Amino acid sequence: AQTVTQSQPEMSVQEAETVTLSCTYDTSESNYYLFWYKQPPSRQMILVIRQEAYKQQNATENRFSVNFQKAAKSFSLKISDSQLGDTAMYFCAFMKNTGNQFYFGTGTSLTVIP
Amino acid sequence: DSGVTQTPKHLITATGQRVTLRCSPRSGDLSVYWYQQSLDQGLQFLIQYYNGEERAKGNILERFSAQQFPDLHSELNLSSLELGDSALYFCASSVDPDSPYQPQHFGDGTRLSIL
Repeated sequence: AQTVTQSQPEMSVQEAETVTLSCTYDTSESNYYLFWYKQPPSRQMILVIRQEAYKQQNATENRFSVNFQKAAKSFSLKISDSQLGDTAMYFCAFMKNTGNQFYFGTGTSLTVIP
Repeated sequence: DSGVTQTPKHLITATGQRVTLRCSPRSGDLSVYWYQQSLDQGLQFLIQYYNGEERAKGNILERFSAQQFPDLHSELNLSSLELGDSALYFCASSVDPDSPYQPQHFGDGTRLSIL
């Protein structure tokens, strides 16, 4: 079975600063995909970034980047130059290479302070 | 706007009742997924359909059932409702059910409250 753990229920960061959200996972699969989703107060689920496990290079999307450590089964999200609009719940998710079933973590509530 | 439409946005009902949640996938998407987001268990995968056929089943209770119709919209039926069924129910869709690289697009969810 796959499990995803987000050990930080709540975090806060000053506007324009950098914050890192942690995620660890457990799987016996060798090839898989990892995702970060953002859920603002509007409750819509928005894809932030994704990483293929077979790629060693960390994914980057504008101000969002990941630190993927496959051996440690760690997948953290770094948000640079935090903006007020980044305030949201962030979910880490795992997906096997076969099939499209997501396994989500319990989420980290991020507040950006002006 | 993700292109995935869920109705209703809010639903309030009583224990023991039955409700139907509806989802219209994004145009061109053949696969539909249902998720339950509750306060104590986070987001959990319930069930997946592809082109009308059940494709994968997750932590879906026997009191719950779903189907995908020929026009590709999907319905999630919840019966004998209990207080613990109160949650946000999401529908998502994707083009290819076998390609994890194809992103799932989420609807805005249906908030179900059991009184």
